[in-house]
Amino acid sequence: NAGVTQTPKFQVLKTGQSMTLQCAQDMNHNSMYWYRQDPGMGLRLIYYSASEGTTDKGEVPNGYNVSRLNKREFSLRLESAAPSQTSVYFCASSGEKYSPLHFGNGTRLTVT
Amino acid sequence: GQQLNQSPQSMFIQEGEDVSMNCTSSSIFNTWLWYKQDPGEGPVLLIALYKAGELTSNGRLTAQFGITRKDSFLNISASIPSDVGIYFCAGRGGNYQLIWGAGTKLIIKP
Repeated sequence: NAGVTQTPKFQVLKTGQSMTLQCAQDMNHNSMYWYRQDPGMGLRLIYYSASEGTTDKGEVPNGYNVSRLNKREFSLRLESAAPSQTSVYFCASSGEKYSPLHFGNGTRLTVT
Repeated sequence: GQQLNQSPQSMFIQEGEDVSMNCTSSSIFNTWLWYKQDPGEGPVLLIALYKAGELTSNGRLTAQFGITRKDSFLNISASIPSDVGIYFCAGRGGNYQLIWGAGTKLIIKP
């Protein structure tokens, strides 16, 4: 049972480059989330999707876009990467909006 | 953005010691969650609490939902080497979004 799968695991970008982080879950969950984790700051919500077809901004959405491609997949796009976006990105899913979140193993992104 | 106050930030303990950490908030929460994160991995749910005053155990771990609904604690009894990692609390209020603590890093003294 894979749970939440994120790709890639590591990525290095130059300032101004674009990329898409992929996330897929096989638990038939309705809600999916993108977080970033920076040292000493816990987890900050970037975007979430409460159900297929809907997306909403979280605490730190600037510089990011998302697509809920279908129930399984939720991607995060950086159109023009900046060094401030160097972070570890986690995708998560939950069955219902009040349920605990299940996390993937993260994408470690460095922007130079 | 709003954050929970999680303390301590880090703990150096001897194997076999008991551990206690807590989270406090200025807001009332309906749910408290405790997660553990190992290096290079995502957070994994340890315990979920849904009712004020609730005390729940998961093996050597025990967590409580504070009666004021503004705090929660996590205890680990008789720590072992695999307990090292970062422990996060998260609280959920009426708008169902989770608010996260900054984490407690647990380190076993050699």
